[in-house]
Amino acid sequence: EPEVTQTPSHQVTQMGQEVILRCVPISNHLYFYWYRQILGQKVEFLVSFYNNEISEKSEIFDDQFSVERPDGSNFTLKIRSTKLEDSAMYFCASSEAPAYNSPLHFGNGTRLTVT
Amino acid sequence: SQQGEEDPQALSIQEGENATMNCSYKTSINNLQWYRQNSGRGLVHLILIRSNEREKHSGRLRVTLDTSKKSSSLLITASRAADTASYFCATGSWGANNLFFGTGTRLTVIP
Repeated sequence: EPEVTQTPSHQVTQMGQEVILRCVPISNHLYFYWYRQILGQKVEFLVSFYNNEISEKSEIFDDQFSVERPDGSNFTLKIRSTKLEDSAMYFCASSEAPAYNSPLHFGNGTRLTVT
Repeated sequence: SQQGEEDPQALSIQEGENATMNCSYKTSINNLQWYRQNSGRGLVHLILIRSNEREKHSGRLRVTLDTSKKSSSLLITASRAADTASYFCATGSWGANNLFFGTGTRLTVIP
């Protein structure tokens, strides 16, 4: 069964550094998402992406964050200047149709640790 | 906040028993979805129920939806140790390209 893959599985970075989290969505999916989860707590929506542009974003997704689909297969989340509170699991997801009408398929996440 | 609230936060049962988890939400929805998360892993979609549906089944899973009460329940029958995981409800509103997740129920099934 096709799956969403995320790399790396674990990223350690120093405060103030830039990080790029990578995702390969399921190939025939058109809608892409980033969520984060702090230490097994609630799953928080960051951003959704369709047709090469952001369709929705949350308050968390401020100017420090950006997303890109640099080619036909990858979907990336960049954090420009990491803060301690950015430490979390970051999940990428994709879907065939918009989230209000379709299940999301999640990757296994990247654990980001900011020291 | 549009996020849902699951109840209970944690549930511990014996293998073979049924597990019921509840979800309440605040906004009008187009669909409600349930997901499962094993420790340290991604979320796995279990079932999607639309706002015009009242009940849906998938294997040992039964989901109900009451839009008048803005609530849903997930029933897992004949639980197994392998069902141990966190379960989240998520709501999707018409036209919105996101899902808002609840706080989750941590289910432990004791063999």
